[in-house]
Amino acid sequence: AAGVIQSPRHLIKEKRETATLKCYPIPRHDTVYWYQQGPGQDPQFLISFYEKMQSDKGSIPDRFSAQQFSDYHSELNMSSLELGDSALYFCASSVKPGTSGYEQYFGPGTRLTVT
Amino acid sequence: KNQVEQSPQSLIILEGKNCTLQCNYTVSPFSNLRWYKQDTGRGPVSLTIMTFSENTKSNGRYTATLDADTKQSSLHITASQLSDSASYICVVSNTGGFKTIFGAGTRLFVKA
Repeated sequence: AAGVIQSPRHLIKEKRETATLKCYPIPRHDTVYWYQQGPGQDPQFLISFYEKMQSDKGSIPDRFSAQQFSDYHSELNMSSLELGDSALYFCASSVKPGTSGYEQYFGPGTRLTVT
Repeated sequence: KNQVEQSPQSLIILEGKNCTLQCNYTVSPFSNLRWYKQDTGRGPVSLTIMTFSENTKSNGRYTATLDADTKQSSLHITASQLSDSASYICVVSNTGGFKTIFGAGTRLFVKA
């Protein structure tokens, strides 16, 4: 079965550079979530999109922005990178959340290293 | 404040033994609770998902329980294997579903 695809899998950037992470959800999933997981930490929710509109916002820094495109893939843009941005960035997708319960499927993650 | 607390923080057991991990939450209004297994450096993999009306759900050697009244869940692992060594994360979502709260996880080590 198709899974969530993230690219690139690994990325090395220098301080103050920019980075763009991409996420391709499972077919027919219309909701995308971005998470940041630092070393030894639990994933922190950054932002989510439903039908190309931002649906919720978590602890996403102002230096980061994201969007969801018409084909439902999403991109997380990170500018003025700092050393503390080094982390695993996960994307998850789901059908539209509802009261009946739903499942978020996670991608393999992009490991970003800022030097 | 929406919170998810897990215990213990870490656990070491011998191969073949059983163990139970706990999750308490205050997320409201409640939609569903999921248990994930996460190997180091990998994305979380879903084990179980339970909604308000479900009390227990099994997935092989994993059995999750949910008490929506006391807002507690447990994950029971039977006959542990070395490959069970991982972090087990409890995740709770609210209705509407866009807010998802992760627990800090329990780090399980299974030794031969």
